[in-house]
Amino acid sequence: AQSVTQLDSQVPVFEEAPVELRCNYSSSVSVYLFWYVQYPNQGLQLLLKYLSGSTLVKGINGFEAEFNKSQTSFHLRKPSVHISDTAEYFCAVSDANFNKFYFGSGTKLNVKP
Amino acid sequence: GAVVSQHPSRVICKSGTSVKIECRSLDFQATTMFWYRQFPKQSLMLMATSNEGSKATYEQGVEKDKFLINHASLTLSTLTVTSAHPEDSSFYICSAPSSSGHEQYFGPGTRLTVT
Repeated sequence: AQSVTQLDSQVPVFEEAPVELRCNYSSSVSVYLFWYVQYPNQGLQLLLKYLSGSTLVKGINGFEAEFNKSQTSFHLRKPSVHISDTAEYFCAVSDANFNKFYFGSGTKLNVKP
Repeated sequence: GAVVSQHPSRVICKSGTSVKIECRSLDFQATTMFWYRQFPKQSLMLMATSNEGSKATYEQGVEKDKFLINHASLTLSTLTVTSAHPEDSSFYICSAPSSSGHEQYFGPGTRLTVT
């Protein structure tokens, strides 16, 4: 069975500062990894995904994540955040059939001016 | 991109009553949809897989007689919470897979409050 851990429930950061949102997963099989963002009163939007290939994945809005198999991590990074990045971010793992998604508990990113 | 809608966005019902939540894929067809439940400060938990033309598949621990799922068409799945209790109060989210299957499109969620 898979599980996802997001250690930070909230991350405050000043505008234009770099940020890293941590995600660790556990799985006995190969997995596919995702980061979703949820803005207030909206659905989840895909930021990026890792299926195979290069371990550094670039997504929308300047975000990127690196898949580290030995550390079972998939941390999300952005070198310079904007106020508009304030949202909740979810890391997710899916099984090989992409049918079941297992989500972390989410990290609220609060970008301050 | 593809859009999934949910209705209503918020609903308050009395204990013992039933409430129906709709999930629609607006510009694509979905033979499969998924229903999740999210408790405050917790993960989205997959409740069931809704299959068009056949019975839903429920995750372990989810009461199928309490959470009735009907996938009436290729663009509509409904979740009915029967005989609701306060502990059923939660945020319910649906999703539908992309045509490639490598992505899920999520609805905006429905906040259910049972008084």
